[in-house]
Amino acid sequence: ELKVEQNPLFLSMQEGKNYTIYCNYSTTSDRLYWYRQDPGKSLESLFVLLSNGAVKQEGRLMASLDTKARLSTLHITAAVHDLSATYFCAVDGAGKSTFGDGTTLTVKP
Amino acid sequence: GAVVSQHPSWVICKSGTSVKIECRSLDFQATTMFWYRQFPKQSLMLMATSNEGSKATYEQGVEKDKFLINHASLTLSTLTVTSAHPEDSSFYICSARDRGSQGNYGYTFGSGTRLTVV
Repeated sequence: ELKVEQNPLFLSMQEGKNYTIYCNYSTTSDRLYWYRQDPGKSLESLFVLLSNGAVKQEGRLMASLDTKARLSTLHITAAVHDLSATYFCAVDGAGKSTFGDGTTLTVKP
Repeated sequence: GAVVSQHPSWVICKSGTSVKIECRSLDFQATTMFWYRQFPKQSLMLMATSNEGSKATYEQGVEKDKFLINHASLTLSTLTVTSAHPEDSSFYICSARDRGSQGNYGYTFGSGTRLTVV
């Protein structure tokens, strides 16, 4: 059974600081996704990572994938308040996605 | 980009009644759709995988007779919560597997349905 672990589960950071969210998964997969969820809303797709060493960047967010280590990271650069949300990683296996527990990010001024 | 329309956005129903939630892919054909349930401050839990023209595949522990899924066309999947009870109150989200360029598919999510059973 595929298991996906995210850490930290809660993250409070000051504006302007950098931080990394980690996503570990238990079995081989070549598809990993990062999503953002705002309170009361559905999921917004951020990144799709398809191969070992893949790196994608959008604004202050950068995601990477190491399939050998079964690890993905979501790096936040110079955080701003608008990035406050819950971030989920999800991994494909057996025709479906398994989600991590989510990381709730709060960016404080 | 791909768009999935989900309706209604919220619904309040009385205990014992049934509620239908629709999920439509607007600009692409979705042979596979997924239904999730999310409780407050928790992750998404997959309920079932819906395949066009065939029976849905339910996850372990999900009652098939209570959560009826129909995927009658390539653009529409429905979830009916039958004989709803307060413990069925949750946020229900559908998603569809879209196909980007060069097979680089991802998932597009509906806007979610907040179900409250009173």
